Formats: sequence, C-alpha cells, structure tokens
Amino acid sequence: AQRVTQPEKLLSVFKGAPVELKCNYSYSGSPELFWYVQYSRQRLQLLLRHISRESIKGFTADLNKGETSFHLKKPFAQEEDSAMYYCALSGLRGKSTFGDGTTLTVKP
Amino acid sequence: DVKVTQSSRYLVKRTGEKVFLECVQDMDHENMFWYRQDPGLGLRLIYFSYDVKMKEKGDIPEGYSVSREKKERFSLILESASTNQTSMYLCASSPPMRVGKFYNEQFFGPGTRLTVL
Repeated sequence: AQRVTQPEKLLSVFKGAPVELKCNYSYSGSPELFWYVQYSRQRLQLLLRHISRESIKGFTADLNKGETSFHLKKPFAQEEDSAMYYCALSGLRGKSTFGDGTTLTVKP
Repeated sequence: DVKVTQSSRYLVKRTGEKVFLECVQDMDHENMFWYRQDPGLGLRLIYFSYDVKMKEKGDIPEGYSVSREKKERFSLILESASTNQTSMYLCASSPPMRVGKFYNEQFFGPGTRLTVL
C-alpha cells in the first residue's frame, strides 16, 4: 500500500525566513513524488516533481530514500507563497496518493 | 495547455436527489480521476478511469458511481445524495505511464463545491 504523511496541518513563518514542509512516504516500489500547490481561489497545480530535480519559485525538494522523505524547502519565504501544499506519490496507472496537506502562511 | 473543466462551480442539492458531476479534458489523456477535498483530510480518491469504459474504485467509492463513455468525459454520480457528501469535488486527468517517461503529473479542474441540504 502507498501512503503519504504530512505531519503539519498548519505552518506559519515570517517573510524572509526559511521554510520546510515535511513529507514522508511509504511505498514498496520506486516512488515518483510530487508537490502540488493550491493558491487561494485557484485550482490545484503541480509545483515540482522529484525526477526533474528542479527549483520552481525558489522551492526545492530532495528525495531521501533512506528516510523515505520528500521535504519541500525554500530559503527565503515570500508572502505570495501562502497556499495549501500537498505532497503526492504516484503509483500504478498514475494513481496518486495525496497527503492531508499543509497550509502555509507567510506573515509580513 | 491542458484544460480540465467541470460543469458547475457551485451546486446545491437536496438529500435523496441523484446528482451528476461532469468533467471534460481536452488533451486526450487516458487517465481521469475524481477526488473529494475536505479540510484536514486532504484529497481522497473516489474513482479513477484509465480508459474508456474502464474504472477502478479509489479509497472512498461508497455512495458514488462513475461513467466514462468517451475518452474526454468522466462523470461522477451520486445515486442518492446525503448530507455527508457535502464537499469540494475535484476532477483530474493525466497521461499514461509510457516506457522511458518517468512522471505522470495530474492536471486538475477548478472544482465543484457541492452542498447537500
């Protein structure tokens, strides 16, 4: 069975501070992991995927197979980063399992 | 750009009514999904379809059914709506896994907020 855990439902930081959203997963095969973001009144959209090893909007995420983690990080948070973030694991036939989500608030 | 559209943004129905939620995608994706999104519970998969007329139950299929007669359209049906089905419903689509392609992100619709009175 595949499982994704986001331990923090709410996370609040000040503008300019580093931010880390935690994600742990459980999967027997080779995982494909994603972070999705939902800004206020917008649809859910892909932020980044582990296979691309890219930085999007200053965010990065590294897959740590030993710790089964895929934490999302940004060194300097901005107010426009305030949103709901979901970690997701993709498995058979593209079926994805999502975590419960973390609401990030960046305070001015 | 992939476009996933849902027939209604807001819907209000009464207990016991049969409810149809429609989803259409324009990128010829094989996979389509229906989720419900509830605060604190994340996204929970109701049903998904990996081809026309093919469907599989997700994690919470009870009280729901689906229909996929055409590739671009995936319908979610609430046979007899109940108040505990009040929620935000999200439709998504994705291309299939292919040899040499390692990712299959999902593209989401704007959501339908259903209220059952």
